[in-house]
Amino acid sequence: DAGVTQSPTHLIKTRGQQVTLRCSPKSGHDTVSWYQQALGQGPQFIFQYYEEEERQRGNFPDRFSGHQFPNYSSELNVNALLLGDSALYLCASSLGDRGTSPLHFGNGTRLTVT
Amino acid sequence: QKEVEQDPGPLSVPEGAIVSLNCTYSNSAFQYFMWYRQYSRKGPELLMYTYSSGNKEDGRFTAQVDKSSKYISLFIRDSQPSDSATYLCAMKDAGGTSYGKLTFGQGTILTVHP
Repeated sequence: DAGVTQSPTHLIKTRGQQVTLRCSPKSGHDTVSWYQQALGQGPQFIFQYYEEEERQRGNFPDRFSGHQFPNYSSELNVNALLLGDSALYLCASSLGDRGTSPLHFGNGTRLTVT
Repeated sequence: QKEVEQDPGPLSVPEGAIVSLNCTYSNSAFQYFMWYRQYSRKGPELLMYTYSSGNKEDGRFTAQVDKSSKYISLFIRDSQPSDSATYLCAMKDAGGTSYGKLTFGQGTILTVHP
């Protein structure tokens, strides 16, 4: 049973560039959430997708956008990268949009902005 | 003030010790409480998932929730070097628009030495 898979595992970008991160949810899951984890901090909620729609959003600027595909996979896009965007980006999947199903995380994409 | 407070440690204990990890929170709407374990360069792994107050036991792990005090704990019995990791507490409310957003603590770094 495949868990949550994310690609790429590492990425180095320059300030001002754009980046796209990808996530495939755990088998049987239909909801995808994205989190940003700075070094030494707990993950911070970016947004959640269900039925190809953004259902809830955290305190992140609209430079952060996403998409969910009919097969439930998801992308996170970040435009106009800043040095402060350097972090581990985690994708989590769950079942349903009510929030009662526990979240399962992938191993993340480590983004470095220089 | 952060919604969820967690002592970052680091915490160092000898093998076989009982470990106590704690979080406090301020949002009385939180109803679901989780503990995740995160090894270096990996994503968070779900350890315990509880709803409302009370205790839950799973092998060497026991989770306690005291909603009246807004305090949750994770106990690890007979700790092993393989338990060395960062432990994250996470919470979410059960409101209709909360969906799956988790609010995390900062994480406690635990080292169990042989």
